[in-house]
Order: sequence, then structure tokens, then C-alpha cells
Amino acid sequence: DIQMTQSPASLSASLGETVSIECLASEDIYNNLAWYQQKPGKSPQLLIYYASSLQDGVPSRFSGSGSGTQYSLKINSLESEDAATYFCLQDSEYPPTFGGGTKLELK
Amino acid sequence: QVQLKESGPGLVQPSQTLSLTCTVSGLSLTSNSVSWIRQPPGKGLEWMGVIWSNGGTDYNSAIKSRLSISRDTSKSQVFLKMNSLQTEDTAMYFCARRSYGGYSPWGQGVMVTVSS
Repeated sequence: DIQMTQSPASLSASLGETVSIECLASEDIYNNLAWYQQKPGKSPQLLIYYASSLQDGVPSRFSGSGSGTQYSLKINSLESEDAATYFCLQDSEYPPTFGGGTKLELK
Repeated sequence: QVQLKESGPGLVQPSQTLSLTCTVSGLSLTSNSVSWIRQPPGKGLEWMGVIWSNGGTDYNSAIKSRLSISRDTSKSQVFLKMNSLQTEDTAMYFCARRSYGGYSPWGQGVMVTVSS
């Protein structure tokens, strides 16, 4: 199975700041990488697919980039509603595998 | 509006079989694929398996021997059955539509506790 190493595990930032979250795949996943946001007690919501495509309805302050084995999620101008846990998911190869998650706290 | 909703028992005894139902609305199962994904308390997500729009299935090899996914297209329902449950199977179980490049939307999830 492809291993997804996500960093950092937790992150604290202030409103208006910009943060980045990284996912490193154990092999090339050919941009088959999605990012999800999960708030406590809620189901995950798709933010980014195919590494850099913004899901309908997702604010443009979210962006994704990367290729090969290295991918990142960037959140510009943090808002209070962005406090959540973020996961990456690869489905280049079955079974799809998730990163361990990054818990984003707003100061 | 596409919606998925999981249902099933909240408590299952060890060694017993778990049966869950995912009821979908706003989409046809003959043209959409649905996956099951679970999340143990405080932990990360694990993809369990998928039933494709053509009715074929794929499973996570780690649990393949215990897992079965099926569907009833006339009732817009997808079923999960997993046998020989152990405490480590305690988790929130989600169903989600396999959409272009990702999974969206997800159901609200159903919490399953394995305990005697």
C-alpha cells in the first residue's frame, strides 16, 4: 500500500495568516491527491482534487499544489471557520490511503 | 441534492457480524460508485471498500476476508457486512460517493462500538 506521511500533525496560527500542510507519498501518485477538511463531529468535506482543482463551493483561499510524491495544501488569510483537521488522500493505487491528519488551531 | 445516510446498530458484540446500510438520494447507484470509510475514535481514516456503478467491488486487503459490500439499486441502498468483529473495529463508519477526483459528499456517519 502507498504510505502517506502528512505534516505537521498540528498547527497553531492566527487569523489572517497563511499556512501550508504537506503530504509525502511513498511513491509517485501522479497528482491523484485530494484534500479534505473535517470539523469535530462532522464528516470530511472535499476541498481539493487532482492535487490542485478546487471543489465547487470551496473558498479560493484554499489551494493545492505538488507533483510526484510531494503535495501541499495552502490556506491564505485564515478565518475562524478554518479551524479543523485536514487530511490528504491518494487514490492513484488501491487501496486509497489517507494521511494522518493535521489539526489546525486558530489562536 | 445528493445525500447519503448511514444506519445500523450502535453496539455489536465481539465476534459478531456488523451490518450497515447507506441510503442515498439525488443520485443513481447504476451511474455512481459508493465507498465505505471508517475512523476509529481520535484516529485517522481507513478506506474499506467500494461498490462500483457496474456492481463490481474492491476491498482493502487488510480486511477483505471479513468484508462484503452489496447494493439494492431499486431501494438506492448500499450495504456493508463485516464479520468477526473485534474491539479495534470500533469506529465511525461513513459512506461516500466516489466523485471526480475524490469522495463527495459523505454521509453523516454512524458510530459502531464493539463491546460485550
